[in-house]
Amino acid sequence: KAGVTQTPRYLIKTRGQQVTLSCSPISGHRSVSWYQQTPGQGLQFLFEYFSETQRNKGNFPGRFSGRQFSNSRSEMNVSTLELGDSALYLCASSLASDRYNEQFFGPGTRLTVL
Amino acid sequence: AQSVAQPEDQVNVAEGNPLTVKCTYSVSGNPYLFWYVQYPNRGLQFLLKYITGDNLVKGSYGFEAEFNKSQTSFHLKKPSALVSDSALYFCAVRDRRDDKIIFGKGTRLHILP
Repeated sequence: KAGVTQTPRYLIKTRGQQVTLSCSPISGHRSVSWYQQTPGQGLQFLFEYFSETQRNKGNFPGRFSGRQFSNSRSEMNVSTLELGDSALYLCASSLASDRYNEQFFGPGTRLTVL
Repeated sequence: AQSVAQPEDQVNVAEGNPLTVKCTYSVSGNPYLFWYVQYPNRGLQFLLKYITGDNLVKGSYGFEAEFNKSQTSFHLKKPSALVSDSALYFCAVRDRRDDKIIFGKGTRLHILP
């Protein structure tokens, strides 16, 4: 079974631009979560989707948004990019809505904002 | 406020020695507890979890973790370290009430040959 895939793997943008990241979960997984990983802040939760509905949201500004499609694939969008948005963005999927299910992470998208 | 602490940024252990990576948390109720590992340029991989029951949980690659409710800790352990265990380890806690998941800052484990 294929793992979680994220595209693109690397991205370079300039301040003020917007970016869309894509995540394809493991087949059969219906829950998708997004995280931002930086050396200073560690791993921070962005949001979680289940069955096309946002179920939970972290403490990020409204510039960060996401959605989930009927096939469970998810996209994350960041508008008006800032230098501080440079990070590794990780997507994770899990089998169902049960909170104790472990998550399976993709390799991440490395975003650099110049 | 809910929090997860991994008090050591880095842990150095000689190959063959036992290792411990510490994790304490401050979350109300009985949270779900997880350990993940991240190898260079890779996403996180699940190691083990505690849901309920036996306080000693066994996971992948010979790792285990001990849940201590009174000390609100969930330390990761392995009886005999391998050089290939060198990686970044994250403790995570999920609050059963509000679903929020919190990760610790991570502990870099160096196994010295």
